[in-house]
Amino acid sequence: RKEVEQDPGPFNVPEGATVAFNCTYSNSASQSFFWYRQDCRKEPKLLMSVYSSGNEDGRFTAQLNRASQYISLLIRDSKLSDSATYLCVVNPPGGGGNKLTFGTGTQLKVEL
Amino acid sequence: DTGVSQNPRHKITKRGQNVTFRCDPISEHNRLYWYRQTLGQGPEFLTYFQNEAQLEKSRLLSDRFSAERPKGSFSTLEIQRTEQGDSAMYLCASSGEATGEETQYFGPGTRLLVL
Repeated sequence: RKEVEQDPGPFNVPEGATVAFNCTYSNSASQSFFWYRQDCRKEPKLLMSVYSSGNEDGRFTAQLNRASQYISLLIRDSKLSDSATYLCVVNPPGGGGNKLTFGTGTQLKVEL
Repeated sequence: DTGVSQNPRHKITKRGQNVTFRCDPISEHNRLYWYRQTLGQGPEFLTYFQNEAQLEKSRLLSDRFSAERPKGSFSTLEIQRTEQGDSAMYLCASSGEATGEETQYFGPGTRLLVL
């Protein structure tokens, strides 16, 4: 089983739609969780950290369910500029905040 | 630009040649990381440094790979006797735990093609 699993997509959605991405992780002792965004042929950039209480940043909402080892990202009112690959990222135990483990990414295409 | 920089941005080499990549982290960051990303996959951790000390190496980092950070600032990643399977994007990231900033910021990467 992969350490971090994501549906690779692509998710093709119309502008203005709400889209949700899911991710599962295998190590229950993992400590930190993130969503990174990666544009085509560019470097990953931190979108948001994910906390147990859930967190929201504008149109983006992230949730963590430790019991199910499940992370989600919700994008509301999607824009053309949201088209990118969204990477689910976990900091496994013993990593000391150093070794990030990435999922394969979920590709989003927002269309007119 | 005060972000992470990497050089070169692209490298084409023939199988069997040695290549070296450079990473300049954000200046106040004491931690530096190397990752490798192949098409359709997420980045995979290779190694990381705290200041000049290399504290962890992935089993992905074969004997042909060596990384250094001699003065705790820039880092180099060398691949000896390159193989076609080494073709990938090599990403460098830095973070500044010493300054309370744990987020890893990535550079633009070096794209390696081994012919």
